[in-house]
Amino acid sequence: EVQVLESGGGLVQPGGSLRLSCAASGFTLSNYAMTWVRQAPGKGLEWVSAVTGDTGRTHYADSVKGRFTISRDASNNALFLQMNSLRAEDTAIYYCAKYLYAHSYYGLDVWGQGTTVTVSS
Amino acid sequence: DIVMTQSPLSLPVTPGEPASIFCRSSQSLRHSNGYYYLDWYLQRPGQSPQLLIYLGSNRASGVPDRFSGSGSGTDFTLKISRVEAEDVGVYYCMQTLQVPLTFGGGTKVEIK
Repeated sequence: EVQVLESGGGLVQPGGSLRLSCAASGFTLSNYAMTWVRQAPGKGLEWVSAVTGDTGRTHYADSVKGRFTISRDASNNALFLQMNSLRAEDTAIYYCAKYLYAHSYYGLDVWGQGTTVTVSS
Repeated sequence: DIVMTQSPLSLPVTPGEPASIFCRSSQSLRHSNGYYYLDWYLQRPGQSPQLLIYLGSNRASGVPDRFSGSGSGTDFTLKISRVEAEDVGVYYCMQTLQVPLTFGGGTKVEIK
């Protein structure tokens, strides 16, 4: 079965760091574009970051650019999101998701259950 | 950034009846390849989002054929031909033409 499983969320103080992980199973992660999408409490969905499957090119929302880094480990079939300089407004459920293809950012066909990040003192 | 606007915000529906959700983008979502880069997602209560439609009108694998997507330029529609109880939740459109990808604010569908 094709699935992804996030981990690494938790409570962190403003200015702190956290590293989210996304373990993929049933498919080879580096063959597909992958993304992180977040959802603040009671709010809608916000695209955060993505990486293409073919070239490994990365993209970020302006709200996280310079603070968050997306990366992947082919040997462990995993995706990561390194989050630094965290702010209260980063509090959200973070979803890892897979795109349909390697080279284009459309069609998020596999989603994880999400991991919760809370930024608070 | 491309701004996505959905309407209505809330949609009470009657099982067995049709329902439509609208999504407007601040600029055309037509790619040079002729496709419209617009996805639709459903987030059921307490669940992760799921893909319904991609590239404007392509139904995702396993999605019932009562769901259909249409539109062009900046105006898109998700239609449910006959609503079922399991269709309740929040529907989101998302433009996938350019980064940053952006979502609409969501349309909450509930049974009357």
